Amino acid sequence: GESVGLHLPTLSVQEGDNSIINCAYSNSASDYFIWYKQESGKGPQFIIDIRSNMDKRQGQRVTVLLNKTVKHLSLQIAATQPGDSAVYFCAEMDSSYKLIFGSGTRLLVRP
Amino acid sequence: NAGVTQTPKFQVLKTGQSMTLQCAQDMNHNSMYWYRQDPGMGLRLIYYSASEGTTDKGEVPNGYNVSRLNKREFSLRLESAAPSQTSVYFCASSEGLQAFFGQGTRLTVV
Repeated sequence: GESVGLHLPTLSVQEGDNSIINCAYSNSASDYFIWYKQESGKGPQFIIDIRSNMDKRQGQRVTVLLNKTVKHLSLQIAATQPGDSAVYFCAEMDSSYKLIFGSGTRLLVRP
Repeated sequence: NAGVTQTPKFQVLKTGQSMTLQCAQDMNHNSMYWYRQDPGMGLRLIYYSASEGTTDKGEVPNGYNVSRLNKREFSLRLESAAPSQTSVYFCASSEGLQAFFGQGTRLTVV
């Protein structure tokens, strides 16, 4: 069957290294920005979110950075593991709860 | 907890046929969504329902209709299927920022 992320940009990292996945967004009115992880054959899973009035938020092994000046969002994954291999999507939610997904990046972790 | 349940998991339709994709959530969430994901691509929002009794168009609503039957159920209907609607369809629900997705319905229109 088809593979998630086949036509998306790919980031290849060595196991144990840090990964940085980038996303450009277009809607300045979005209230929240969210990162999702999608493994092959599954629906996306929530990773972390950040409110539009923040510029950094940390979770367990992940950090999200928001630069509203250039409309840029990034997800940093520390000590990348094989289980992190997946497609990562950024998403935006506005005040009407409309949830729009942005471009995705396929992360490959080399052993 | 089942979370978000979609039926059917697989479906093949002939061009012009109609069908309804079913979605139910057991988390008492207010918001529900329908997305399509074409092979190797991202998710595009078809319709969403911010709360029971409301529905709104997303990015690609043409060719689809939805019904928010009650708080639990949100169905997606294709009135006259076209090959361009071949895709994987995901339903999701959320209460706040964390959306939970179903396992998807793989639809092929021939």
